[in-house]
Amino acid sequence: DTAVSQTPKYLVTQMGNDKSIKCEQNLGHDTMYWYKQDSKKFLKIMFSYNNKELIINETVPNRFSPKSPDKAHLNLHINSLELGDSAVYFCASSPGTRQETQYFGPGTRLLVL
Amino acid sequence: GEDVEQSLFLSVREGDSSVINCTYTDSSSTYLYWYKQEPGAGLQLLTYIFSNMDMKQDQRLTVLLNKKDKHLSLRIADTQTGDSAIYFCAESPSGYKLSFGAGTTVTVRA
Repeated sequence: DTAVSQTPKYLVTQMGNDKSIKCEQNLGHDTMYWYKQDSKKFLKIMFSYNNKELIINETVPNRFSPKSPDKAHLNLHINSLELGDSAVYFCASSPGTRQETQYFGPGTRLLVL
Repeated sequence: GEDVEQSLFLSVREGDSSVINCTYTDSSSTYLYWYKQEPGAGLQLLTYIFSNMDMKQDQRLTVLLNKKDKHLSLRIADTQTGDSAIYFCAESPSGYKLSFGAGTTVTVRA
C-alpha cells in the first residue's frame, strides 16, 4: 500500500539511449511532480502536472518529456540520454497546487555510462 | 538551492540535541517544511510549520520560525543513531513547487 511508487528503482544505460521512468500515486492527489537530485544532493523541480495538465516546466531540456495519462500517473521519458542526466529522480504528489505538503516516492537512480 | 540556505554538515553525540538552521528568502511561503533523507532512500516529510506560527513541537522535534529574519530551525532532542541522515529545509514560494536547501548531513556519533 505504498503511497507514491516509482519504477524502476535503478536504471543503468548507455549514452544516447531513450528511457522511461514511471510514477504512480494512490493518495487520490490531483498534482504530481518530478524532481532531480544531483550528485551533490541538490534537489530541483523539473515538472508538475495538475489533473493531467502541465503547470510547471522549469527550463528542462526538451529531451525530457513528461506524460500524465491520468491524475494518478506521471511518467518521465528521456531521449538521447547524456552523462549529465545521471541523478536520482524523485516523483512527488500533493492534494492540490497551492502551498500543500508534497509526498515523495523512493526515487529512481539513473546512471548513464 | 540559492533561495534556501543551510549549513552542510552537523556532527552530534548520541543523546545530545541537534539544531539545524535554515534561512529562506520568500516571505509569501505559507508553509515551511523539513524533509529527511536516509542513505539510499527517498525523502520523508518530517514536519512542517504554518507561517503564522512561531513554534511547533512534535515529540522529539521542535521547529522554530522567525519570520522577520526568515530563519527556520529544527531541533532534535535526544539524538539517536537512526537520526543520521540529510535534512532538507524547503519553502513554497509560488505555491506550486518546493524550493529546497542543499541539505544538512547530520552524523550521530556514539
